[in-house]
Amino acid sequence: DTGVSQNPRHKITKRGQNVTFRCDPISEHNRLYWYRQTLGQGPEFLTYFQNEAQLEKSRLLSDRFSAERPKGSFSTLEIQRTEQGDSAMYLCASSSGLAGPRWNEQFFGPGTRLTVL
Amino acid sequence: DAKTTQPNSMESNEEEPVHLPCNHSTISGTDYIHWYRQLPSQGPEYVIHGLTSNVNNRMASLAIAEDRKSSTLILHRATLRDAAVYYCILTLGLMRFGAGTRLTVKP
Repeated sequence: DTGVSQNPRHKITKRGQNVTFRCDPISEHNRLYWYRQTLGQGPEFLTYFQNEAQLEKSRLLSDRFSAERPKGSFSTLEIQRTEQGDSAMYLCASSSGLAGPRWNEQFFGPGTRLTVL
Repeated sequence: DAKTTQPNSMESNEEEPVHLPCNHSTISGTDYIHWYRQLPSQGPEYVIHGLTSNVNNRMASLAIAEDRKSSTLILHRATLRDAAVYYCILTLGLMRFGAGTRLTVKP
């Protein structure tokens, strides 16, 4: 399978704990995106990487959230001191960023569903 | 970011065409119009995109108004597998999703 993969698929944690999610993009894609989606809403943009550089962060991304993409390949999203309001689906997507008719097409992973008790 | 307006929900009968509208009256000259859909329990997937001209691909057609203030995603023959939330997004790069249109396909 050469699509975007995310681990774990489900995470249940207690309020106040730290959690970390991993995203493996399509191998030749240099752009990687994180989104958060709550029930009945569309995905909300959180942050974006081009290779290892984090180029944009949403105001939604509080200080408790941090994302890394250390070698320009996989990425991690960490949430510190989780709150019940952090319960959501966390989606990762990647795109090639190369010129062409589908230059901005994003390929999404299946998501990690976080439940904070 | 330019905003889009879509109906919350639409229904269609199987094997009939579906026209999903999107209004984007504040679109800028450089915004591309993208459509994605999200099947139940999956991440969104690309459907089609365009700038000014109508576009066709194996999944759908995109009809763009001459003034670009609205567009319509056309599914030529809806199947049960097309039941999903359809998102219309204006972007030159980063994507901001709205709530989309939930399409129900009846057998």
